[in-house]
Amino acid sequence: TQLLEQSPQFLSIQEGENLTVYCNSSSVFSSLQWYRQEPGEGPVLLVTVVTGGEVKKLKRLTFQFGDARKDSSLHITAAQPGDTGLYLCAGAEAGGTSYGKLTFGQGTILTVHP
Amino acid sequence: EAQVTQNPRYLITVTGKKLTVTCSQNMNHEYMSWYRQDPGLGLRQIYYSMNVEVTDKGDVPEGYKVSRKEKRNFPLILESPSPNQTSLYFCASSLDLAGELFFGEGSRLTVL
Repeated sequence: TQLLEQSPQFLSIQEGENLTVYCNSSSVFSSLQWYRQEPGEGPVLLVTVVTGGEVKKLKRLTFQFGDARKDSSLHITAAQPGDTGLYLCAGAEAGGTSYGKLTFGQGTILTVHP
Repeated sequence: EAQVTQNPRYLITVTGKKLTVTCSQNMNHEYMSWYRQDPGLGLRQIYYSMNVEVTDKGDVPEGYKVSRKEKRNFPLILESPSPNQTSLYFCASSLDLAGELFFGEGSRLTVL
């Protein structure tokens, strides 16, 4: 199973600040997904990136897939209290007998204070 | 409404008492999977199923069993629960192996 290192593990910021969450691996992924999870609920997909170097925007959230498809980042501009939650990245293995299998990072707990 | 339904949502049990967590999806998805979520460890896959009667081990299968007799249902069975299986469990489904996962609301299990 490929490893996905997600950082930071915890992030506590004030409303209006910018932040970046990183997801890194030494392995290549065929695609990478970002999920957001709120307390008492299951994770919900935010975005899937597939092509190396791809950038996707979802309102104030910007997702980037590394050129080599080994890493990804999530940048939030002008964070709001409603952004509070657990953010998870998940990479789909690119080859071998586990092709397509999703591996999750450890998650980043984001708290945005009013 | 498209959804994945897990039951029970909360359960407190004792060591050794067999239990089953049910999971059902109404999206006609081929792929279903079980995860456990523990602080600092993210989501770890327990078992997955590519289709009816096809199941395979994930990363942490020890102490768990599953079955896939129907496409919509994928129960998780703990034959003899132990305290180290205290965790938050999620069932998920998707169209295919690397597709968007749709998660249930989670089942919080405590084994005393």
